[in-house]
Amino acid sequence: EVQLVQSGAEVKKPGESLKISCKGSGYNFINYWVGWVRQMPGKGLEWMGIIYPADSDTTYSPSFQGQVTISADNSISTAYLQWSSLKASDTAMYYCARPIIPWDAFDIWGQGTMVTVSS
Amino acid sequence: DIQMTQSPSSLSASVGDRVIITCRASQSISSYLNWYQQKLGKAPKLLIYAVSSLQSGVPSRFSGSGSGTDFTLSISSLQPEDFATYYCQQSYSTPKTFGQGTKVEIK
Repeated sequence: EVQLVQSGAEVKKPGESLKISCKGSGYNFINYWVGWVRQMPGKGLEWMGIIYPADSDTTYSPSFQGQVTISADNSISTAYLQWSSLKASDTAMYYCARPIIPWDAFDIWGQGTMVTVSS
Repeated sequence: DIQMTQSPSSLSASVGDRVIITCRASQSISSYLNWYQQKLGKAPKLLIYAVSSLQSGVPSRFSGSGSGTDFTLSISSLQPEDFATYYCQQSYSTPKTFGQGTKVEIK
């Protein structure tokens, strides 16, 4: 079964760093893009960025460029989303997802990681 | 960025009703239009990609149409499990933006 399994919920303080993960299984991880989507509490979906694990080609939404870093470790079939200094406004559910090529529709989704940033 | 505008933002309907949700792009997106369903507390689920291609396992009461900038999602006969929030997404250009969502509630 093709699936993406994300790391567990996090509670952090403003200014702290964080790296959440998304592990792919049931398919050849390096040959499929992996994207990240943010959903703030009670709000809609926001496309953050995407990585191609085979060559680490990464594209960010301008809204998130410089705010987060997307990476991948092919040896463990895992993609990451990280922050160097969290803000309260980073509180959200974060989903990883795999797109259908060439249409770039996300057909496989992780279960989501809830990140809460509060002092 | 391409802006995606859905209407209505919410609707109330009864089981068995036909429901239509529209999505308008701020510029032409060819056929790069996708629809997702999200239930409370769950990850989104892909329903339709490339305007009208039904994702595997999705019931045939869901259909999509449109081209260029104007698109629709139709549910031919609303079922109890269809009460959810629906999002369109353009995958024509980065960032691959979503509409604001349409919440389908029980009348």
